[in-house]
Amino acid sequence: GAGVSQSPRYKVAKRGQDVALRCDPISGHVSLFWYQQALGQGPEFLTYFQNEAQLDKSGLPSDRFFAERPEGSVSTLKIQRTQQEDSAVYLCASSLRSIGVATNEKLFFGSGTQLSVL
Amino acid sequence: AQSVTQLDSHVSVSEGTPVLLRCNYSSSYSPSLFWYVQHPNKGLQLLLKYTSAATLVKGINGFEAEFKKSETSFHLTKPSAHMSDAAEYFCVVRPNTGNQFYFGTGTSLTVIP
Repeated sequence: GAGVSQSPRYKVAKRGQDVALRCDPISGHVSLFWYQQALGQGPEFLTYFQNEAQLDKSGLPSDRFFAERPEGSVSTLKIQRTQQEDSAVYLCASSLRSIGVATNEKLFFGSGTQLSVL
Repeated sequence: AQSVTQLDSHVSVSEGTPVLLRCNYSSSYSPSLFWYVQHPNKGLQLLLKYTSAATLVKGINGFEAEFKKSETSFHLTKPSAHMSDAAEYFCVVRPNTGNQFYFGTGTSLTVIP
């Protein structure tokens, strides 16, 4: 596609439910990031993939959060047993090359999934 | 440790007047620096990036930013604000090691007609 696509655009979950958020990066992009953006805050890093390899998951707030990118393209962020504090916009970004190759690499962002946990 | 400080959470200017959005960073090493803009219900869009080739960086839509190492600043400017510039602006630091991009808390720009 022309850009990074995320689905669903909005997700409402009851506390305790599991949710799955999808990201379709730009075709051929090596790097993929997930960010969490709370209301009124800047995006916070969650995890980073280089192709199918999850090289950094240091930003995942708890073991309820899990991300995968099995074929090096589409990625899914799964949140188990959602809590109210998980309510945020989840942003996906992709980049053409490996981040380790170039420090000024440009990120392309999707429009995000707004998760509301009731 | 890396951090980004956007000194103003809200900036309001009149249409046609200059814009200044301030950003200071701390980084153990010479970082890469970016400004991104976020319009309502749209994805973050890159405005400009500092590549170490020149300290004054020109971006899209008439925006510029100047890298001042001595002040650890990367302020965003525009000579004349347009109504379409109203949005949230994020200063972003990418250290030259590791793979994380660190975002500031954002500055909301309002343009008054």
